[in-house]
Amino acid sequence: GESVGLHLPTLSVQEGDNSIINCAYSNSASDYFIWYKQESGKGPQFIIDIRSNMDKRQGQRVTVLLNKTVKHLSLQIAATQPGDSAVYFCAETRSGTYKYIFGTGTRLKVLA
Amino acid sequence: DAGITQSPRYKITETGRQVTLMCHQTWSHSYMFWYRQDLGHGLRLIYYSAAADITDKGEVPDGYVVSRSKTENFPLTLESATRSQTSVYFCASSERGTSGDNEQFFGPGTRLTVL
Repeated sequence: GESVGLHLPTLSVQEGDNSIINCAYSNSASDYFIWYKQESGKGPQFIIDIRSNMDKRQGQRVTVLLNKTVKHLSLQIAATQPGDSAVYFCAETRSGTYKYIFGTGTRLKVLA
Repeated sequence: DAGITQSPRYKITETGRQVTLMCHQTWSHSYMFWYRQDLGHGLRLIYYSAAADITDKGEVPDGYVVSRSKTENFPLTLESATRSQTSVYFCASSERGTSGDNEQFFGPGTRLTVL
């Protein structure tokens, strides 16, 4: 399928546990960040975003944390479900530009 | 509501051949993008378009050509395919190119193999 492939870092979690996926971003001028989910055979799908004037944002079962001091993003998924199994990657950009910088991703495996 | 579609989904070609990957979106989004996705790399921008008849290079444009005669279509052509262009190609669209207010919606991808 159209996914990144076999050599990504993998996070394995038990169904029902919380998952934390991390991302180090590269550009200190970036002020907008997105987490994407990519299932096998599909294109990336928007999960949640956050602007640099925030350090936390919550969605449905997902929370994104932003630490600008160390240029770090994390995605927390509560009560992980089998349908959460996918590759997750972050993207950063600076407002007013078209250019996103995408991370290479982490594969999340949910164990039954 | 088809959203954004790509064709073909899979393509095998030979070195030196011309290949065109199609992208079609039904939202009338102004901006469209072509990315490639390779092992060990994040998505890398090949070309983007801000509107019909307006295109510009991204990070890795060499060996690719794009056109945008209609808002809804954004074909990507490999004029003379090389093995290094073996990849998964994603098309995306957004309402505006500026970030912060608009996510990019991605197509399902085309897996291209160049032998």
